[in-house]
Amino acid sequence: SQQGEEDPQALSIQEGENATMNCSYKTSINNLQWYRQNSGRGLVHLILIRSNEREKHSGRLRVTLDTSKKSSSLLITASRAADTASYFCATEHPSYNDMRFGAGTRLTVKP
Amino acid sequence: DTAVSQTPKYLVTQMGNDKSIKCEQNLGHDTMYWYKQDSKKFLKIMFSYNNKELIINETVPNRFSPKSPDKAHLNLHINSLELGDSAVYFCASSLNDRVTGELFFGEGSRLTVL
Repeated sequence: SQQGEEDPQALSIQEGENATMNCSYKTSINNLQWYRQNSGRGLVHLILIRSNEREKHSGRLRVTLDTSKKSSSLLITASRAADTASYFCATEHPSYNDMRFGAGTRLTVKP
Repeated sequence: DTAVSQTPKYLVTQMGNDKSIKCEQNLGHDTMYWYKQDSKKFLKIMFSYNNKELIINETVPNRFSPKSPDKAHLNLHINSLELGDSAVYFCASSLNDRVTGELFFGEGSRLTVL
């Protein structure tokens, strides 16, 4: 029942650098969302991209969606130490009544 | 104001015990969920309720029983706890049962079974 798979599992960068995380999924989707989870906290919604959209921006976040490759990427530009967290993609499949998550990418931004 | 609140935040108990985790949302959402996050951070849907009615029941042992007294509450009761039940359990809510918007998560309840 797992849908999204994030890559890489872990990513460590310096403050100011860009961070790119990828998500692949197996079946057709209605939309794809990215969430952030700080250590010991709940998940927080970042951005939603619908299946008919190819790119979306929100502040320092840029999300792309390639439905032909069944993949998405999340780019965080000019990263900050406060961006250190786990990032999850979640997909809504036409037959599911919920969002399906992967295991996330653990991002560490060093000051 | 906390949008989705769950209690307790931490729960340590012995194998074989029965325990409950409570969840409440004040967002006026129609649908509530329970997710389980294992030690590898993989997040898996367990149950989904829409207006007090069960709409998703993934492959979860029947020792887990959700209860929704009203659409703002979804509690999780676990019987005969096993070591493998140790995980962080997240409650979440969304506006519709066809999820076309975001999920709002609680802070999680870390269950440790000894």
